[in-house]
Amino acid sequence: EVQLLESGGGLVQPGGSLRLSCAASGFTFSNYAMNWVRQAPGKGLEWVAMIHGSSGTTYYAHSVGGRFTISRDNSKSTLYLQMNSLRADDTAVYYCVKLIDGTIFDYWGQGTLVTVSS
Amino acid sequence: QSVLTQPPSVSGAPGQRVTISCTGSSSNIGAGYDVHWYQQLPGTAPKLLIYGNNNRPSGVPDRFSGSKSGTSASLAITGLQAEDEADYYCQSYDISLSGYDYVFGSGTTVTVL
Repeated sequence: EVQLLESGGGLVQPGGSLRLSCAASGFTFSNYAMNWVRQAPGKGLEWVAMIHGSSGTTYYAHSVGGRFTISRDNSKSTLYLQMNSLRADDTAVYYCVKLIDGTIFDYWGQGTLVTVSS
Repeated sequence: QSVLTQPPSVSGAPGQRVTISCTGSSSNIGAGYDVHWYQQLPGTAPKLLIYGNNNRPSGVPDRFSGSKSGTSASLAITGLQAEDEADYYCQSYDISLSGYDYVFGSGTTVTVL
């Protein structure tokens, strides 16, 4: 059974940093691209970043490029999101999401809430 | 503002059929990229509902179906049930001058009357 368990969310001041983690199990982690997708309170879904399984090539949404860094440790089956220079509009539930066939988000974690506020 | 446009809400009585539209453009759906649909029950994470325009993952009831034509796609729910009350999002891939993006619809809340 595929499981994705996020952690690391919390309250942070504007301009601060936070690192999210996602522990994966139930599949061969290194074989799949992984993503972070976020959802602001009461709002829709927004793709944040993607990292390929073996090459480690990364892609970012324009809204977070230069501030967020996605990475992975295939030996630990863990995905990360380092978030710097956080702003109020980064407040959201952040989901760890597995990708198949290039465009399908087939499994989602339960999410971790990041609140940026003074 | 979402790249893919959905109606904010649709409603229907139990047993009825409802449809949700997802309107894109020539840089996403119209460019030939597949459309996928996700169901988000209240207080939970999204779940893949339809992939590749009209395919259901194992375990998804056959009352859910999808279609795509031109720059739009649709999700249909036939035989509406109380447990179908949720938010539904379409998703595709977009190529524009600013690069490549995974894009979602604005979301549609389905209410069972």
